[in-house]
Parts: sequence; structure tokens; C-alpha cells
Amino acid sequence: AQTVTQSQPEMSVQEAETVTLSCTYDTSESDYYLFWYKQPPSRQMILVIRQEAYKQQNATENRFSVNFQKAAKSFSLKISDSQLGDAAMYFCAYRRFQGAQKLVFGQGTRLTINP
Amino acid sequence: EPEVTQTPSHQVTQMGQEVILRCVPISNHLYFYWYRQILGQKVEFLVSFYNNEISEKSEIFDDQFSVERPDGSNFTLKIRSTKLEDSAMYFCASSEGPLSYEQYFGPGTRLTVT
Repeated sequence: AQTVTQSQPEMSVQEAETVTLSCTYDTSESDYYLFWYKQPPSRQMILVIRQEAYKQQNATENRFSVNFQKAAKSFSLKISDSQLGDAAMYFCAYRRFQGAQKLVFGQGTRLTINP
Repeated sequence: EPEVTQTPSHQVTQMGQEVILRCVPISNHLYFYWYRQILGQKVEFLVSFYNNEISEKSEIFDDQFSVERPDGSNFTLKIRSTKLEDSAMYFCASSEGPLSYEQYFGPGTRLTVT
């Protein structure tokens, strides 16, 4: 079974600074998707960024980028120029490429932005 | 922009009672999911549903749980006899199809079992 681990329960960063959230996963499959979801206090899960395992290039979405290390099974999220609105729980998630559609989530990292 | 909606936002029920949580997925989506999040814990998959049948379920999804798409728009999760440990946030999600990578989540229903 696939597992996702986020080893940082909490992180904090100064506004406008850069922060990196860590995620590792375990799978025996070669093709899969990885995601970072944001859950603000409103509790709704919002997709931040995705990475297809077959792509070597790291995904980027504006201020958000990932460092995908397939051999190490590592998938970290970098947030540049942190803003107050980035404060939230961040969940790393895994999904098989084909077949089962379910998302497997990590435990989450609570990110605090200090003004 | 289309979105997944869920009702009610908060449901309080007594242990042993039946509850039905409702979701309206995005209209052209074909895959539907329920997840739950016990307070302070990670989000856990419960069940996925496609073509009017369950495509996958977790070990959490036992005989006390059922899902249904009673009409062309609603997707429901029923808990037959609630237990204290069913207290959680329940999220509905939907996606377009098997090759679609993104699941769109609803705002959740907070279920409190007393």
C-alpha cells in the first residue's frame, strides 16, 4: 500500500520569505501523480500544484514550485514570497496513475506566516 | 466557476441515529468520492463511486456506511447507526473521468455525534 509522510507538523515563515515543506512517499509503482493541497481555516481543500511522476521537470505554479526527486521518493513544496493568505494546512497526496482514483494524504503541515 | 456543494455544513446527531450527508458534484463529472478528516488528523479516503456503483472502498467503509446517487445531481453518504468515533469532517469530491488528475472538493460537512 502507498503511504505519504510529512515530517513537519508545523512550520512558520516571515512574510515575503521562502519556505519549503517536505513530503516523502512510498510506492512500488513507476507512474503516479503527486499533489499538494491547501486547507485554509475555511476547511475546503484546494489544489495547489501537481506533478506527474513520468515528467522529470519540476512543476511550478506562480509562487509555488516543487522539488520532485523520484529515486528518493521525495516531493517538497517551495513557497516563494510568502503571503499572509498562504497560512493554512498543507497536505501532500499521492494517486495512482491508472486504476484506483483515491488520494492518499500525508498528515499535513500547518504553515504560519509571520507579518 | 462550477463547484462541489455539500449540505448541511454542520450536523449534530445522537449516537445510534442515522444521518445522510448530501453532496452535489460538478455537473459533468463522472467520478465521486467521500473522504473524512477526524479533527487534527489526516484526510482519509472512504469510497469512490462511478457508473452507479462503488469502484473502491476503504476498510473504514463498513456495513454502517452506504452511498447513493438518487438522481442526476445528488450524491449521498449514509451512516446507518452513528458512533462517537464517526465525528469528523466529511468531504465530497468529484472528478471528470479516469484520466482526470484533479479532484474538486466540497467545503465539507462537520458531523458531531453526541
